[in-house]
Amino acid sequence: DQQVKQNSPSLSVQEGRISILNCDYTNSMFDYFLWYKKYPAEGPTFLISISSIKDKNEDGRFTVFLNKSAKHLSLHIVPSQPGDSAVYFCAATSGSRLTFGEGTQLTVNP
Amino acid sequence: DTGVSQDPRHKITKRGQNVTFRCDPISEHNRLYWYRQTLGQGPEFLTYFQNEAQLEKSRLLSDRFSAERPKGSFSTLEIQRTEQGDSAMYLCASSTGTGTDTQYFGPGTRLTVL
Repeated sequence: DQQVKQNSPSLSVQEGRISILNCDYTNSMFDYFLWYKKYPAEGPTFLISISSIKDKNEDGRFTVFLNKSAKHLSLHIVPSQPGDSAVYFCAATSGSRLTFGEGTQLTVNP
Repeated sequence: DTGVSQDPRHKITKRGQNVTFRCDPISEHNRLYWYRQTLGQGPEFLTYFQNEAQLEKSRLLSDRFSAERPKGSFSTLEIQRTEQGDSAMYLCASSTGTGTDTQYFGPGTRLTVL
């Protein structure tokens, strides 16, 4: 039972444009959502999070949107930079363990 | 650097051998988590500690796996009688355990079982 899904295995965008990464979940008990960035052979690096009581959270170039009724969240990166190229994981929790999606490989082309 | 640290970073072993990994969490973080990641998948939860108490274990944690956090600081994860299917990246994370509880990950230990 895949409770968190990232349906796009890969995404390619041009430098300076917007990157939009999507994530869907099924468990209505999840109340905190996070995005992590991962380079090969390294651990995930925390990027940004959102509580279920909010619908938007911004941090610099990164914005996360949460649509609770649709059980959907998205990460917007604008403007995208070549250094943003990595695998992005969304994760969700209801208080302890994180449940991760499968990841989306983002490639930002110069 | 006061982030989460893991040792070793890489481990190659033969099938049937025992291995032990260590994780040092961020100082004063009460919660410590272990995850496993295989190629093309997101990390999967294994177990977590609140201080020295092991509060939750995944069904992925077979009886060949054991984790400890004896003094509520560092933790060890031992795999006995390793199998080729144990080959994965083992990730440790820590958090405060309060409020909106963000988990911060270490660099991971890459295990290869031959």
